[in-house]
Amino acid sequence: GAGVSQSPRYKVAKRGQDVALRCDPISGHVSLFWYQQALGQGPEFLTYFQNEAQLDKSGLPSDRFFAERPEGSVSTLKIQRTQQEDSAVYLCASSLGGNWDGYTFGSGTRLTVV
Amino acid sequence: AQSVSQHNHHVILSEAASLELGCNYSYGGTVNLFWYVQYPGQHLQLLLKYFSGDPLVKGIKGFEAEFIKSKFSFNLRKPSVQWSDTAEYFCAVNAPISSGSARQLTFGSGTQLTVLP
Repeated sequence: GAGVSQSPRYKVAKRGQDVALRCDPISGHVSLFWYQQALGQGPEFLTYFQNEAQLDKSGLPSDRFFAERPEGSVSTLKIQRTQQEDSAVYLCASSLGGNWDGYTFGSGTRLTVV
Repeated sequence: AQSVSQHNHHVILSEAASLELGCNYSYGGTVNLFWYVQYPGQHLQLLLKYFSGDPLVKGIKGFEAEFIKSKFSFNLRKPSVQWSDTAEYFCAVNAPISSGSARQLTFGSGTQLTVLP
């Protein structure tokens, strides 16, 4: 597609519920990133994929967070047993790879845990 | 670890005023520098970037930024703001892959710019 697409745009989860957030990167983009943006803060890095390989997951805040990109295109960020501090906007970004020139962000999924 | 400081949390200007938003980073090696903008209800968009070469970088919509290595700064400027520049502005830093930080960006906390008509 023309841009990075994320779904759902909004998600309300009860505390303890599992959620799955989807990212459709720009077609052909090799690199895919997930960021978490808490209210009033800048985005913070969660994890990075190059094709299907998860090369960096150093930003995942706990083992409740899990990301996958099994076929090197669509990615899913899963959060198990959600807690209130997980409330944030989750941003996905993709880039072509190779000579890196920055990347394109999606509009994000706003997760509210109640 | 890298960190980015944006000095102003909220800036309010009248149309036609000049803008300068501060950004300082802490990282001793070679860095790539970015300014992103987020208009209300929209996704983050790249305004401009610095990788190497001329430290004065021009971006879209009349924005420019100057990289001053000795001050670890990358301030964003615009000579005359418009109401449509109302948005949140984020400075970001990346240390090239040789440092082991892959291609992640470290963002500042953002500056909300409000331009009054």
